[in-house]
Parts: sequence; C-alpha cells; structure tokens
Amino acid sequence: AQSVTQLGSHVSVSEGALVLLRCNYSSSVPPYLFWYVQYPNQGLQLLLKYTTGATLVKGINGFEAEFKKSETSFHLTKPSAHMSDAAEYFCAVNILNTGNQFYFGTGTSLTVIP
Amino acid sequence: KAGVTQTPRYLIKTRGQQVTLSCSPISGHRSVSWYQQTPGQGLQFLFEYFSETQRNKGNFPGRFSGRQFSNSRSEMNVSTLELGDSALYLCASSVRETQYFGPGTRLLVL
Repeated sequence: AQSVTQLGSHVSVSEGALVLLRCNYSSSVPPYLFWYVQYPNQGLQLLLKYTTGATLVKGINGFEAEFKKSETSFHLTKPSAHMSDAAEYFCAVNILNTGNQFYFGTGTSLTVIP
Repeated sequence: KAGVTQTPRYLIKTRGQQVTLSCSPISGHRSVSWYQQTPGQGLQFLFEYFSETQRNKGNFPGRFSGRQFSNSRSEMNVSTLELGDSALYLCASSVRETQYFGPGTRLLVL
C-alpha cells in the first residue's frame, strides 16, 4: 500500500533561518514525488517534483528537495525563510500504474517568525 | 496558458439540497481529478476522469458523482447534502504525471 508521512504538522522558523519539512513515503513501485504549497483559501500550487534523473530538484521560491531512495524520503528545504513562505505544505506521491492516483500527506503548516 | 478554473468559488446550501460544481482544466489536459479538503480529514481523493471515463474512485458514498465532457470539462455533483459535506472542493487537471490545481470551491452546508 502507498502512503505519505509528513513529520510535524506545525513547524516554526525564524525569518532567515533554514526551512526543513520532512516527507517519507512507502510505495511498492518507484513513485513520482511532489511538493505543493497552499495559501489560505487557495488551491495547491506546485513547488517542485521528482520524476527521474537528478535526485536534487529545485523548485520555485528558492525551495529544493532531495529524493533519497534508500531512506524513502523527499524532504523539502529552503536556506533562508521569508515571511511570505508561511503556508501549508503538502507532500504527494503519484503511482502511475492505473491513471493518476495521488496520495497526499496530511500537510505541514509553516510559521515564519519575524 | 490559463490555469484550472472552478466555478462557483463559494456556495451556501442547506441540508438535503444538491449541488453541482464545475471545473475547466488546462487546455490539452485530459485527466481531471476531484478532492475534498477539510481540516479534520485533510485532502481526500474523490475520483479521476480521463477522456469522459471514470478511471479511479476514492472511498466516498454514492451521493458524490461526477462526469466529464468531450471538451474535458468536468462536473461533480453531491446529492442530499449533509453538514459534513462542508469543505473546500479542489479540482486538478493533469498531463502525464503532474497535477495542477484550481482555486477550489468553498461549500458551506447549513
């Protein structure tokens, strides 16, 4: 069975500090991996994705994530937090065996302290 | 390219009524998925349509249904609304492996 676990439903960082949001997955087949961000009363916006190739992927707004197969992880990082980064972040996997079957984590709410 | 659009953005209904939500995918995207998002349950998958056929289905009662038209636009319908159906309903369209989300329809059931 496929699942996605996001450690820490709430994360607080100071402005300018490192952001680290954790995501682990379980999948019986190699998955595609995604991070989405959601601002209040909005839909989900794609931050970055891993499909194949380089395991360190860069996304929008200075975010990046590294796929580590041995650890079944896809943690999201940003070197320096900005106030505008405060939002809900979702990790997701897509198992492309029959159509687009996405599995989402429960989300991590990021607070940035000035 | 225009993004995924959803109408209406906000909706208030009373228990027992039915509601229809609409989603227009990104041009060229043939797959449309629907999700229900609530504070308690998070993002829950409702169903996916591809070329007018339901390809995947989540674990929701039969009151929740959907369809897709030949132009890939999709609608979802909820009949006999319950208070617990109050949620943000998100539509996502995809080409290959990536989903792109619309802004959602906020449904409040009174």
